[in-house]
Amino acid sequence: AQSVTQPDIHITVSEGASLELRCNYSYGATPYLFWYVQSPGQGLQLLLKYFSGDTLVQGIKGFEAEFKRSQSSFNLRKPSVHWSDAAEYFCAIYSGAGSYQLTFGKGTKLSVIP
Amino acid sequence: NAGVTQTPKFQVLKTGQSMTLQCAQDMNHEYMSWYRQDPGMGLRLIHYSVGAGITDQGEVPNGYNVSRSTTEDFPLRLLSAAPSQTSVYFCASSYSILDRGNTIYFGEGSWLTVV
Repeated sequence: AQSVTQPDIHITVSEGASLELRCNYSYGATPYLFWYVQSPGQGLQLLLKYFSGDTLVQGIKGFEAEFKRSQSSFNLRKPSVHWSDAAEYFCAIYSGAGSYQLTFGKGTKLSVIP
Repeated sequence: NAGVTQTPKFQVLKTGQSMTLQCAQDMNHEYMSWYRQDPGMGLRLIHYSVGAGITDQGEVPNGYNVSRSTTEDFPLRLLSAAPSQTSVYFCASSYSILDRGNTIYFGEGSWLTVV
């Protein structure tokens, strides 16, 4: 069965610093991967997704993620963090061919110091 | 186009009470689902539906009931609320299976407290 691991429960960065959130997956075939963001008290917003092709994926709000098959990773990056990026970030994997379901990691909470 | 709409946004229930969380989408999506979100657990799938009249269980279905009488609506029923069902509930939908490049869209969430 597929699984997603987000090793960091909570990360704190200073505003303007770079950010990398880690995501590792376990899946027997080429995965489809997603990053969602949840601001406090809000729903989930899709940041970006990887299905195939270029392994560097650009998303909204200046985020990007790189798929590395050899490392089973799909890390999320941003070169310069803004205070409004403080939120919880979820990595998710598509649950298999012909499926409609996502399996989520447990999330990483990002705090931003002004 | 309102997307995925959930109601109510906040609800407090007493143990043993029943209630229904409503979910509607106006995107003609065939797939709808309910997730619950608990601290440190991420999102876990409760029930899902691949079309009107078709439902199935997810990872954590106990204590919940669903039905899909129309394409647009997918209500989640708590039969006899328990404190363990205190959670944030998200409804989601997608047009079709994800390996066709589709995306799952989420509602705003429903915060439920059972006392």
